[in-house]
Amino acid sequence: EAGVAQSPRYKIIEKRQSVAFWCNPISGHATLYWYQQILGQGPKLLIQFQNNGVVDDSQLPKDRFSAERLKGVDSTLKIQPAKLEDSAVYLCASSFGRGGLAGRRETQYFGPGTRLLVL
Amino acid sequence: SQQGEEDPQALSIQEGENATMNCSYKTSINNLQWYRQNSGRGLVHLILIRSNEREKHSGRLRVTLDTSKKSSSLLITASRAADTASYFCATDGYNQGGKLIFGQGTELSVKP
Repeated sequence: EAGVAQSPRYKIIEKRQSVAFWCNPISGHATLYWYQQILGQGPKLLIQFQNNGVVDDSQLPKDRFSAERLKGVDSTLKIQPAKLEDSAVYLCASSFGRGGLAGRRETQYFGPGTRLLVL
Repeated sequence: SQQGEEDPQALSIQEGENATMNCSYKTSINNLQWYRQNSGRGLVHLILIRSNEREKHSGRLRVTLDTSKKSSSLLITASRAADTASYFCATDGYNQGGKLIFGQGTELSVKP
């Protein structure tokens, strides 16, 4: 079974530039998550999709961050314009969600992440 | 805000010893999960314990949950150098729609 794919793996940009990250979840997973992980901290949820609908985006800085999952499969996360404090690893994860079997629906499978450095 | 707080922040042991990491949280949960993260990699799910369970085992891993104290512990027995990683607890809060809130993590170093 293929895992969660993310690209690019690394990105270096200057502040005020734009950047986009892509995620392809595990086939059949209805729920997709984007997390931000700042060095030395645990991941923080930015946005959660169930199929192509947003379930939770309460911690997404909507003035500069946007995300979409138009066809309910892959997803993009965009930052425009980037700030120095956006330097972090952006992790995508997926899970079966509500449609999954009991004991499996809650487990999240993570991609390798995109390491962003804003100069 | 982070719900889970982990203790210790860093732990260094010798191969063969046991490693214990603790996690405390603040609100009611459906379940609590432990994840491992190797340097520069994504997180890997280790084990899930539900709010009505007290103890769970998976290979060399043992997890306990005390909902009255809002705390959990992860024990890795007979540790190996390959267990060197950061370990995170994550809580699936009651009525939170499956949203996980992660702790700050414990950085485990196992010396050969």
